[in-house]
Amino acid sequence: QVQLMQSGAEVKKPGASVKVSCKTSGYIFTSYDISWVRQAPGQGLEWMGWISTYMGNTNYAQKFQGRLTVTTDTSTGAAYMELASLRSDDTAVYYCARGAMSSSSGGDYWGQGTLVTVSS
Amino acid sequence: QSVLTQSPSVSGAPGQRVTISCTGSSSNIGAGYPVHWYQHLPGTAPKLLMYGNINRPSGVPDRFSGSKSGTSASLAITGLQAEDEADYYCQSYDSSLAAVVFGGGTKLTVL
Repeated sequence: QVQLMQSGAEVKKPGASVKVSCKTSGYIFTSYDISWVRQAPGQGLEWMGWISTYMGNTNYAQKFQGRLTVTTDTSTGAAYMELASLRSDDTAVYYCARGAMSSSSGGDYWGQGTLVTVSS
Repeated sequence: QSVLTQSPSVSGAPGQRVTISCTGSSSNIGAGYPVHWYQHLPGTAPKLLMYGNINRPSGVPDRFSGSKSGTSASLAITGLQAEDEADYYCQSYDSSLAAVVFGGGTKLTVL
């Protein structure tokens, strides 16, 4: 069965970086893109960006340009989201999802979420 | 301020029918980009409920249905059950922003 397993919770200081992993199984990794979405406390879902697992090209939301890096390791079927220059308002649960949400099929399987807390 | 507008909350009694609306514009829903709907319970991963405006993924009950007209889309839930109590988000793509966009979410309360 399709599974996306994310790394554990992180606590970071302002200005630091965080790297969240998303390890996939149960399907051909390069057949589906990977998207990243976050939810800050009390807020809605916010799209961050996606990566083509086949081509490696990325598309990031404007607000994360310059701070966000999404990568993949096709040998292990894993995707990674690295967010730099963390601020307190980056405190959120971060999700990976299978699929480019701009496509006709949306994000059909999601990871369980990773809580990132940014605090001094 | 979300690009896609949803009512913050909706409620209904068990067995009733409710509709959750999602209003966009000519650069997203009105431009023909597909609308997807997600169900999100606190502490869990969002679940794809509807894709491509009207399609239910395998395993989603047919009590859930989607529609789209002009610059708006809707999710209807019939035969409300207590387990339907959750947050619901619409999602599409916006060509002006060149970005995926979500609605602000609608909290469904089953009375």
